[in-house]
Amino acid sequence: GENVEQHPSTLSVQEGDSAVIKCTYSDSASNYFPWYKQELGKRPQLIIDIRSNVGEKKDQRIAVTLNKTAKHFSLHITETQPEDSAVYFCAASNNAGNMLTFGGGTRLMVKP
Amino acid sequence: GAVVSQHPSWVICKSGTSVKIECRSLDFQATTMFWYRQFPKQSLMLMATSNEGSKATYEQGVEKDKFLINHASLTLSTLTVTSAHPEDSSFYICSARGGAGYGYTFGSGTRLTVV
Repeated sequence: GENVEQHPSTLSVQEGDSAVIKCTYSDSASNYFPWYKQELGKRPQLIIDIRSNVGEKKDQRIAVTLNKTAKHFSLHITETQPEDSAVYFCAASNNAGNMLTFGGGTRLMVKP
Repeated sequence: GAVVSQHPSWVICKSGTSVKIECRSLDFQATTMFWYRQFPKQSLMLMATSNEGSKATYEQGVEKDKFLINHASLTLSTLTVTSAHPEDSSFYICSARGGAGYGYTFGSGTRLTVV
């Protein structure tokens, strides 16, 4: 089955700096890669996703890049704000309605 | 957008009792529902996949007789934790994938505490 590794497990940045979180996956059949933000005790919220026919996607301060050959994808947050502090999860699935396999999560702390 | 309603949001039960968690897709038909468990400061781990009208598929290490899943309709899936023990205390969350154009929609989660 799919295995998703996520790094780092914790990340502390100064407000205004950029944050980068990286994930690798094992199943070459995976073609859907969402990123979720989860606040304590709440459901994961989709912040951005990318499909395997695209190498990069951007939405305001958030961008995701995908390297299918190397089987890794990354989340980039620019101009971080304290409200960006949360746990971020990457995930992967194939598009056949299969389940999402999550990475281990990254606790992002943005210091004001 | 797609909405999944999950109830209860939190529950405290005594050891040995059973707890039922419901997930309803409110505005789409969820042919497949995924059930995850999340321990504190850990990731979401898939427990089982349920398909409407058929038996659930359980992940390795998840006891199907302990975690009963029923997906009797296209809008309702339930997870029953039977004979709960303190080690079952966790955050349980469902996720549904609807028709074309929908991503994965998560329920609001259920925090189960077994005392």
